[in-house]
Amino acid sequence: DQQVKQNSPSLSVQEGRISILNCDYTNSMFDYFLWYKKYPAEGPTFLISISSIKDKNEDGRFTVFLNKSAKHLSLHIVPSQPGDSAVYFCAASAWNRDDKIIFGKGTRLHILP
Amino acid sequence: DARVTQTPRHKVTEMGQEVTMRCQPILGHNTVFWYRQTMMQGLELLAYFRNRAPLDDSGMPKDRFSAEMPDATLATLKIQPSEPRDSAVYFCASGSLDRTQYFGPGTRLTVL
Repeated sequence: DQQVKQNSPSLSVQEGRISILNCDYTNSMFDYFLWYKKYPAEGPTFLISISSIKDKNEDGRFTVFLNKSAKHLSLHIVPSQPGDSAVYFCAASAWNRDDKIIFGKGTRLHILP
Repeated sequence: DARVTQTPRHKVTEMGQEVTMRCQPILGHNTVFWYRQTMMQGLELLAYFRNRAPLDDSGMPKDRFSAEMPDATLATLKIQPSEPRDSAVYFCASGSLDRTQYFGPGTRLTVL
């Protein structure tokens, strides 16, 4: 039973345009959401997070949007740059599950020149 | 620049051998997690500790895997005996109160 789903295994976006990565979750107890970025042969790197009391969080070129009623979040990257090519993991945590994070299976983003 | 470190980065061993992977969490972090990444399963949580106490190891095959935290600066994941299906990348992560986890570079294990 996948509680965090990233339905697009891969996504290609032109350099300079907006990249939108999507994530759906099923557990209504999740109250903290994170995005991680992973390059080959490296560990996942924390990118940005959002608490369920907010619907948007922005950090430079990265913005995460949370729609609690739809149990959906998205990561927007504007403008997309070649260095953004990586695998992006969506993750979620519930206040009653201690410190555990549940990860999606990832979306591979290709930024095209 | 605080980082999680893991050793070794790569390990090739033969089936039946013991494998030990080590992790140094970020100083001051009180939670440590072990994950395994495979193509099919993505990031699987194997075990985790809070304040050095094991809280959950339900993701580990208990007959062959063990995880310990002998002190606050060292976490270990041991496989004995190793099998080819254990071949994967093993990540350690540490975290603190805000539930954000910070990952190490991983240990790529190949069991022949």
